[in-house]
Amino acid sequence: AQSVAQPEDQVNVAEGNPLTVKCTYSVSGNPYLFWYVQYPNRGLQFLLKYITGDNLVKGSYGFEAEFNKSQTSFHLKKPSALVSDSALYFCAVRATGFQKLVFGTGTRLLVSP
Amino acid sequence: SAVISQKPSRDICQRGTSLTIQCQVDSQVTMMFWYRQQPGQSLTLIATANQGSEATYESGFVIDKFPISRPNLTFSTLTVSNMSPEDSSIYLCSVKERERPYEQYFGPGTRLTVT
Repeated sequence: AQSVAQPEDQVNVAEGNPLTVKCTYSVSGNPYLFWYVQYPNRGLQFLLKYITGDNLVKGSYGFEAEFNKSQTSFHLKKPSALVSDSALYFCAVRATGFQKLVFGTGTRLLVSP
Repeated sequence: SAVISQKPSRDICQRGTSLTIQCQVDSQVTMMFWYRQQPGQSLTLIATANQGSEATYESGFVIDKFPISRPNLTFSTLTVSNMSPEDSSIYLCSVKERERPYEQYFGPGTRLTVT
């Protein structure tokens, strides 16, 4: 069975500082990994994905994520946080050959001015 | 990516009634899905909407409670039947596009409150 863990309910960071939102996963076979962001009263927006290849993937709004197979992690990062990055972030995994996305519980990111 | 709209955006319903949520996409998509996000919770897949045939439901979700239709490649409906307060959630439509076969894109959601 697939599962995703986001160990932090909330991450606080000052504007301009680097941010990391953690995600670990469990899946049989090779994983497809995704990050989504949800702003208040809005649907989910796709940020980035890892399918294969380079372990560092770049996405929208300056975000990037690093796939680490040995640690089964896919942490979301950004070199310099913006107040407008404050939102709810979801990590998700899909097993190869399946369509179902399994989401983590979400991490609320608060960027202070 | 495809533009996804949902109607209604929110509703307040009485216990025991039913609500049908519509999902419209501006282009043909290969797959359509329905997810539920309960208050303060993560997203859970309800079912995959199959064009012209019965939806494929996940464990814990049944057709009598959540009937789904998908008459064509751009439109789907989810009905929440015989509602109870536990059905209060955000319901999200999601699609996969032929041009982007890996990721799923989500609609804005329908916020349902059952009183």
